[in-house]
Amino acid sequence: GAVVSQHPSWVICKSGTSVKIECRSLDFQATTMFWYRQFPKQSLMLMATSNEGSKATYEQGVEKDKFLINHASLTLSTLTVTSAHPEDSSFYICSARARGQSSGNTIYFGEGSWLTVV
Amino acid sequence: SQQGEEDPQALSIQEGENATMNCSYKTSINNLQWYRQNSGRGLVHLILIRSNEREKHSGRLRVTLDTSKKSSSLLITASRAADTASYFCATDRDSWGKLQFGAGTQVVVTP
Repeated sequence: GAVVSQHPSWVICKSGTSVKIECRSLDFQATTMFWYRQFPKQSLMLMATSNEGSKATYEQGVEKDKFLINHASLTLSTLTVTSAHPEDSSFYICSARARGQSSGNTIYFGEGSWLTVV
Repeated sequence: SQQGEEDPQALSIQEGENATMNCSYKTSINNLQWYRQNSGRGLVHLILIRSNEREKHSGRLRVTLDTSKKSSSLLITASRAADTASYFCATDRDSWGKLQFGAGTQVVVTP
């Protein structure tokens, strides 16, 4: 089946630095990718929709200058947490919708990336 | 904002018992999906039910959907210790993949 890969699986960074998380669709083209954040023992909250070749669409309350999203190709979207602070520590997970598919069951999730800001 | 609310928030059962959890949502949907998440891991897609379907089965899983009540249920029959996980419902309003997740139910199955 389709695979979405996230890298890194976990990362520790110092407060004030930036960290980049990659989301790749390994065997399909993804025109749209989604980024979610999940705090411990909570549900997934959609942060933004990443569209190939265009600007990301952010959900209300998500700072677009802090969470930079780039979807430069049909198989790669990146999330950069800029000037990270301890409150940004969370589990970040992406999903991808296969190109040409419109039904919901073609959404594939990555394994997630744990970010710890110290 | 969260689309769905789930209950119970936590469920503790013994192996062999059935586990039932419910999900309610607020707006119209195209489909509703259930996912499982093991602690600290990604999501595993369990089952999708479309808005024009009322019930769906997959192995030991049974999902119902009542669009008039805007609610869904997930039943896991003959539970196993390996079913210990958090379960989330997610609604897809436009089939473009933008999912809104419920709060989740944490299920613990003891041997």
